[in-house]
Amino acid sequence: KNQVEQSPQSLIILEGKNCTLQCNYTVSPFSNLRWYKQDTGRGPVSLTIMTFSENTKSNGRYTATLDADTKQSSLHITASQLSDSASYICVVSAKGSQGNLIFGKGTKLSVKP
Amino acid sequence: DAGITQSPRHKVTETGTPVTLRCHQTENHRYMYWYRQDPGHGLRLIHYSYGVKDTDKGEVSDGYSVSRSKTEDFLLTLESATSSQTSVYFCAISLQGLGNTGELFFGEGSRLTVL
Repeated sequence: KNQVEQSPQSLIILEGKNCTLQCNYTVSPFSNLRWYKQDTGRGPVSLTIMTFSENTKSNGRYTATLDADTKQSSLHITASQLSDSASYICVVSAKGSQGNLIFGKGTKLSVKP
Repeated sequence: DAGITQSPRHKVTETGTPVTLRCHQTENHRYMYWYRQDPGHGLRLIHYSYGVKDTDKGEVSDGYSVSRSKTEDFLLTLESATSSQTSVYFCAISLQGLGNTGELFFGEGSRLTVL
């Protein structure tokens, strides 16, 4: 069964600190992996999309890594800001699928002053 | 922000009543999707459309129907709402199919409560 597991479920860090969120998946055949940020009460917004051949991708203070061999991805946030408080969702697409992505349940990050 | 408007944004209704949620886009994207988001679950696909009058079921389509008569509008209908359909519904659009690296843009969500 295609699954995406994220850890931790929730995380609290102090402003200015770094953190890393994890994503493990069992989706096959793999097409791409996405990270989304979802602010409370808003729709998800894309941070990165990575294909099989990409192992690192950055978007400002966000850096995603992908290890397609171990089927793991991480999202590293550098120098966190209060505005980083949100849920971060890992999403995996299977090759050939036209309409379905497999969504993780998300990691809820709280950045405290 | 992608031009996606969902309406209504909030709705409270009673069991057994019909409900229609509307998604309107100004991006001329070919693909449109309806997802639901519930606590303890990832976003789950209800239905999607790959063109005008072309739709297909997602993983949680029971109890829902959709229609797309124009490129810009995608309607989600609950023929007879049940309490299990209380959820936040998100519309999304993409230019390419999601088997490619098509960017997926989400609306702001419609919160539906079925009493």
